[in-house]
Amino acid sequence: DIQMTQSPSTLSASVGDRVTITCRASQSISSWLAWYQQKPGKAPKLLIYKASSLESGVPSRFSGSGFGTEFTLTISSLQPDDFATYFCQQYDSYSQTFGQGTKLEIK
Amino acid sequence: QVQLVESGGGVVQPGRSLRLSCAASGFTFTTHGMHWVRQAPGKGLEWVAVIWYDGSNQYYADSVKGRFTISRDNSKNTVYLQMNSLRAEDTAMYYCARDRGAGTTASPHDYWGQGTLVTVSS
Repeated sequence: DIQMTQSPSTLSASVGDRVTITCRASQSISSWLAWYQQKPGKAPKLLIYKASSLESGVPSRFSGSGFGTEFTLTISSLQPDDFATYFCQQYDSYSQTFGQGTKLEIK
Repeated sequence: QVQLVESGGGVVQPGRSLRLSCAASGFTFTTHGMHWVRQAPGKGLEWVAVIWYDGSNQYYADSVKGRFTISRDNSKNTVYLQMNSLRAEDTAMYYCARDRGAGTTASPHDYWGQGTLVTVSS
């Protein structure tokens, strides 16, 4: 199975900050990567697919980049609603795998 | 609007079985693959299984292969997860999620249900 490693595990930031979360794949997955946001007690929400495509309705302060084995999710200016846990997911193969998550906390 | 509503969770003893259901509405069910994804308490997400739009193929995580079966009834817009020989490590919130496509090629999950909790304990 393809392993996905996210960093950092926890990130403390303030409203207005620019933050970046990294996801590394154990082998090349081309651009078959998605990012999800999850808030406590809620289901995940799709933010980014195909590494850099913004899902409909998602604010433009979210962006994704990368190809192959290294990917990033960037939030350009943190808003109060953005404090949540973020997961990457590879869907290069049927045996899809998620990263372990990055918890974005208020500093 | 797209809705996915899971049901069937509960407390079950190790070694027993449980069947989860996910009722879909608000979209053409017969054109989308469907997934089950689980999340153990305080842990990350684990993909469990996928079924193609027409039910012709299914794929499973190694951790559940041979014990879980995903199926669908397109006349009822419902996807199921039959879970046998349950173990303590199967304790989790189980989400059903819609595949962006037909499921025949891997795609992201664009809609998720709210989940149903399965607890395996004696």
